[in-house]
Amino acid sequence: EIVLTQSPATLSLSPGERATLSCRASESVSRNLAWYQQKPGQPPRLLISDAFKRATGIPDRFSGSGSGTDFTLTISSLEPEDFAVYYCQQRTNWPRTFGQGTKVEV
Amino acid sequence: QVQLQESGPGLVKPSQTLSLTCTVSGDSVSSADHYWSWIRQPAGKGLEWIGRIYTSGSVNDNPSLMGRVTMSLDAAKNQFSLRLTFVTAADTAVYYCARDNIRVGAFDIWGQGTLVTVSS
Repeated sequence: EIVLTQSPATLSLSPGERATLSCRASESVSRNLAWYQQKPGQPPRLLISDAFKRATGIPDRFSGSGSGTDFTLTISSLEPEDFAVYYCQQRTNWPRTFGQGTKVEV
Repeated sequence: QVQLQESGPGLVKPSQTLSLTCTVSGDSVSSADHYWSWIRQPAGKGLEWIGRIYTSGSVNDNPSLMGRVTMSLDAAKNQFSLRLTFVTAADTAVYYCARDNIRVGAFDIWGQGTLVTVSS
C-alpha cells in the first residue's frame, strides 16, 4: 500500500501567519491527492482534491500544490478557525490511504 | 443539501459482528456518480479507509481487515451498510460513512460519525 508521511507532526503558529504542510508519498500518486481538515468532535472536511482543486466553499487562503510524491498544503494567512488537524489522502492505489495528520496549533 | 447519518449499536462484544447503517438524504445511493464508503478513526489517531460500495453492488475493501468486511446497499431505503465480523478491541473507533465523489475524486460529504466500542 502507498504510505503517506506528513510533516511536521505539529505546527505552532499564530493567527495571520503562513502555514506550510507537507505530504510525501512512498510512490507516485500523480495528482490523485486530497487534503482534509478535521476539528475536534467533527468529521473531516474536504479542502482540496486532485492536489490543487479547492472544494466548494473553501476560502482561497487554502491552496494545494505538488505532484508525484511531494505535496504541499499552504494556508496563506491563518484565521482562528484554521487551527485543526490536516490529513492528506491518496486515491491512486488500493487501499485508499491517509497520512497520519499535521496538527496546526496556536 | 446532501446529508449522511450513521446508526447502529455503540457497544459490540469481542468476536461478534459490528453492523452499521448509513442513511443518505439529498442524494441517491443508486447514483452512478458516487461510491459510498466507510472510514474509521480510533480515538486520538488517524483515519483508516474500510471500503466502498457502488450502485452495482461492487465492493472494494481494505486488505488489512482480512476479509472481515461485508457491505450492502438498499436503494429502497436509500441506505448502505457495513458488517465487520470477529471484532476485537482494535476495532474500537469512530466510524464514518462518506460519499466518494467520482467527479471530484475525494470524500466530499461525511456523516457525523458514530462511536463503536468493542468490549465484553
